[in-house]
Amino acid sequence: QVQLVESGGGVVQPGRSLRLSCAASGFSFNSYGMHWVRQAPGKGLEWVAVIWYDGSNKYYVDSVKGRFTISRDNSKNTLYLQMNSLRAEDTAVYYCARDELYGGNSNWFDPWGQGTLVTVSS
Amino acid sequence: EIVLTQSPATLSLSPGERATLSCRASQNVSSYLAWYQQKPGQAPRLLIYDASNRATGIPARFSGSGSGTDFTLTISSLEPEDFAVYYCQQRSNWPPITFGQGTRLEIK
Repeated sequence: QVQLVESGGGVVQPGRSLRLSCAASGFSFNSYGMHWVRQAPGKGLEWVAVIWYDGSNKYYVDSVKGRFTISRDNSKNTLYLQMNSLRAEDTAVYYCARDELYGGNSNWFDPWGQGTLVTVSS
Repeated sequence: EIVLTQSPATLSLSPGERATLSCRASQNVSSYLAWYQQKPGQAPRLLIYDASNRATGIPARFSGSGSGTDFTLTISSLEPEDFAVYYCQQRSNWPPITFGQGTRLEIK
């Protein structure tokens, strides 16, 4: 079955860096766009970034542009989110999610991983 | 950026009742709207996409309607497992992709 497993979360000081990973299995990873979506504690959902199935296009929410980088390694079926210059407001559960559309980009998220918590605090 | 406003913030109903959740967009999003369900401690799950299409495996009691700026998620007869938080999401004018603030559906 389709499975997405995030890792790499933890507690980090403001200004430091962290890299999240999302290991995918059960589907043709290299045929789907992938997204990161975050959820601050007790808050709603915020889309963070998307990468096309082949890595050719990447888009970000303004609040992370220049600080976060989405990437993928299709040979390892793994999605990444490199987070630099972290701020307290980046504290959230980070979910990876597969785009719903095979071979394209629909910007619907299905399914989602279980999430990994990132806490930015001194 | 398109802002999605969901109402009500909290909806209190009993199992077997009909639930109607609303989502209003600040601009025309055509039919590019989805609904997600999130239970405590779990990831969200896609219910409806393109305003009215049920995702794979979603029961027929869930239905979506609307276009333009006003959308509705209807649960025809609530089951105990349907009590959760529901989010709408648009992909019409992006980036950014945006979500509503959520409606909490609680047991009365």
